[in-house]
This record gives sequence, C-alpha cells and structure tokens, in this order.
Amino acid sequence: DTGVSQNPRHKITKRGQNVTFRCDPISEHNRLYWYRQTLGQGPEFLTYFQNEAQLEKSRLLSDRFSAERPKGSFSTLEIQRTEQGDSAMYLCATTRDKSTDTQYFGPGTRLTVL
Amino acid sequence: QKEVEQNSGPLSVPEGAIASLNCTYSDRGSQSFFWYRQYSGKSPELIMFIYSNGDKEDGRFTAQLNKASQYVSLLIRDSQPSDSATYLCAVNPSSGSARQLTFGSGTQLTVLP
Repeated sequence: DTGVSQNPRHKITKRGQNVTFRCDPISEHNRLYWYRQTLGQGPEFLTYFQNEAQLEKSRLLSDRFSAERPKGSFSTLEIQRTEQGDSAMYLCATTRDKSTDTQYFGPGTRLTVL
Repeated sequence: QKEVEQNSGPLSVPEGAIASLNCTYSDRGSQSFFWYRQYSGKSPELIMFIYSNGDKEDGRFTAQLNKASQYVSLLIRDSQPSDSATYLCAVNPSSGSARQLTFGSGTQLTVLP
C-alpha cells in the first residue's frame, strides 16, 4: 500500500464534457505529482505541488487542464471540454520523505473519452 | 533523441533465468534513477532506486548504474512467471525544481514457465 488513493478508478465521458479526478495521499506526503500515461508509453509529468503550492506545470498541461491542492492535502485534476486525445491513465504520485525523490503512485484513474 | 530510452521488447526468458533490462538517458547531470514494475492495467510499482555508480542489490533484483556511460540496468535473478510485466526506467533530471521523473517507454518482460 503506497498510501495514495485515487477516485474514480474509471471514468467514461463524452467529448466536450468536464471531468474531475481526486488524489488522496496520507497527511505527511508533502510533494504531489500528476502524470498521464497512454498505452505503450511511460508516464508523462503534468504538474507538481509542494504542500498547497503548484510549483511547476508541464507544457503538456493545456488551458483545459487545472489542478488544485487546497490545504496541502488531497488534490484534484480537472479537464474541461474533454477531447478523445485526453483518453489515458491519470496517475498521482507522492513522496514520503522530504529528502528523497522516491515517488509512489496511486492506483490511477483511467479516462475514456467517447 | 528521447531523454530516457529502453528497448520496448518483448523480452522473453525462461523461468529461473536472469532477465537483463537496460536503460540509457541523455541528461548527464541526472542524479536519481528508478525502476518501476507495471502490470497490465495497474499503476507503476517502485522496485528499486539507485543514486551512486555501481551495483545495488535487493533480493532477486540488482540495479546497476554507470553515470559515465549514462546507463542504468536492472537484473532479475531466478525469474518467475509473476515477474512478467512492463519495467519502466525513470530518471530525475538535473534541471527544474520539481524533481519530476522522466520515464522511458518501458520494456515488456515475459517469463516463460
């Protein structure tokens, strides 16, 4: 158990709809990352939070994507006006220790855009 | 050139053999290196990390790092069918403050009973 949960585990939506995913780490995980993974590829970095501050965003993160981490606890990733190309596994990862880069992944949310 | 490169496979080895998985990276200043295992439909699971040149052993797994050659490998001894999965190499680049990981595309390993 990595101490990271994600909900929902699966989401099917129609093109143009908005979707929101949630990541819940246990309280002492201060750094939180969102990645996206498509079939046959490794995860790609989307954005990063240090506590509640969003410190870096990938250029992959278009204006349709927004992420928050209120109070430095859980985080949400919202995709507006979904497109078929958004279909992927969305992964949340956290670090348990401030001195290490080791990241542990949650189970992911699989998004299918029809 | 991709930042982290892995042979996509598939790599097949018989049960009990040694599986050797390789990874090269382009950022010479990279400091941290990770191997994740990913079963189909599941999220990546950390197997090992290595920071220093040389070998690091953990049970049946050995990670090897050669920073001069920009090369990191994972050896799996006494391979078991349950080791069949995709293995992802990840590198923490030297630039950027986020310390996010850059992943290869993964090598698919099949251990044949």
